[in-house]
Amino acid sequence: DIQMTQSPSSVSASVGDRVTITCRASQGISSWLAWYQQKPGKAPKLLIYAASSLQSGVPSRFSGSGSGTDFTLTISSLQPEDFATYYCQQANSFPPTFGQGTKLEIK
Amino acid sequence: EVQLVQSGAEVKKPGESLKISCKGSGYSFTSYWIGWVRQMPGKGLEWMGIIYPGDSDTRYSPSFQGQVTISADKSISTAYLQWSSLKASDTAMYYCARTYCSSTSCRYGMDVWGQGTTVTVSS
Repeated sequence: DIQMTQSPSSVSASVGDRVTITCRASQGISSWLAWYQQKPGKAPKLLIYAASSLQSGVPSRFSGSGSGTDFTLTISSLQPEDFATYYCQQANSFPPTFGQGTKLEIK
Repeated sequence: EVQLVQSGAEVKKPGESLKISCKGSGYSFTSYWIGWVRQMPGKGLEWMGIIYPGDSDTRYSPSFQGQVTISADKSISTAYLQWSSLKASDTAMYYCARTYCSSTSCRYGMDVWGQGTTVTVSS
């Protein structure tokens, strides 16, 4: 299985800040990476697919980049509703493994 | 509205069997795969497996192969996840989600999720 490693595991930030979360794959996955947001007690929500394609309805302050083994999720200006846990998922091969998650907390 | 609606919370004893469900609506149920994802208490997401309701083609993560069975009834747009003998370690939230896959990968993520089914296994 491909291992996905996210960093940091948690981050504190303030409303209006720019935040970047990193995801690294144990082997190359081209651009086949998805990002999800999960709030407490809720199902995950797809934000980004194919590394940089914004899912319909997701605010444009979210963006993704990267290819090969290194990827980033950037939130350009944090809003109160963005405080949540974020997961990456490789979509290159079975099984589509998730990263361990990054918890974004209010500073 | 495209949605997946899962069956309600379950409380079971070790060794019991269980089948939970995920009903799709608002889209062509046989045109997309349905995946199952486990989230143990306080932990991250684990991909369990997928099924294509159109022909019941099924893929499992090696971690879950032989531990669970995924099935579907396309006549009622419903996918299932079942256990023949539950363990305490099966206690978790289980999500179903819609995805689009080829024979080798599911490249566009999981775009529609059910609300989750909590399974508690305790003696």
